[in-house]
Amino acid sequence: QKEVEQNSGPLSVPEGAIASLNCTYSDRVSQSFFWYRQYSGKSPELIMSIYSNGDKEDGRFTAQLNKASQYVSLLIRDSQPSDSATYLCAVKWDSGTYKYIFGTGTRLKVLA
Amino acid sequence: DAGVTQSPTHLIKTRGQQVTLRCSPKSGHDTVSWYQQALGQGPQFIFQYYEEEERQRGNFPDRFSGHQFPNYSSELNVNALLLGDSALYLCASSLEGAKNTEAFFGQGTRLTVV
Repeated sequence: QKEVEQNSGPLSVPEGAIASLNCTYSDRVSQSFFWYRQYSGKSPELIMSIYSNGDKEDGRFTAQLNKASQYVSLLIRDSQPSDSATYLCAVKWDSGTYKYIFGTGTRLKVLA
Repeated sequence: DAGVTQSPTHLIKTRGQQVTLRCSPKSGHDTVSWYQQALGQGPQFIFQYYEEEERQRGNFPDRFSGHQFPNYSSELNVNALLLGDSALYLCASSLEGAKNTEAFFGQGTRLTVV
């Protein structure tokens, strides 16, 4: 079983809509969670980090973490064509390991 | 504030050759991790260097080795290249002991093995 799972998409949303990206993970103690955006042919760019249950907002982005249900999501409000990219979810198990485990990413297409 | 820099950006090598990739971490960071990203996949952890020591390694063969220098920069070496080693190689830096363990990636090195 994969430790971090994402729907590969593509997820298509119209310009101005809310894009909702989801990620599930296997249960571990004390995780840290990250969302990265990756444009085609480029490297991942950190968008958000979240460490505790609940919502965290930064501009048009909101990360949501629910440890009981083992999922983390990213909402993008007022989606723009420039948001079209692959969004990678990453998890770090804080106990005894230093590596990030990435999902395969969800491709988002924002239609003008 | 200098971000993570990697060199070279692109590289073409022949099967069986050896390659060295280089990384300078973000200013103020002391930890360097290397990842391999195949097309359509998420990055896979190769290893992490801290205090000039490899402190964790992913599921990669011994052909993959690395080094960290006193100035925190790092190298990734791959010997006896295989066609399957063709990928985007990413370096990520972070600060040990920081409250938030955020890692920032360089622009990557695209390695093609022919």
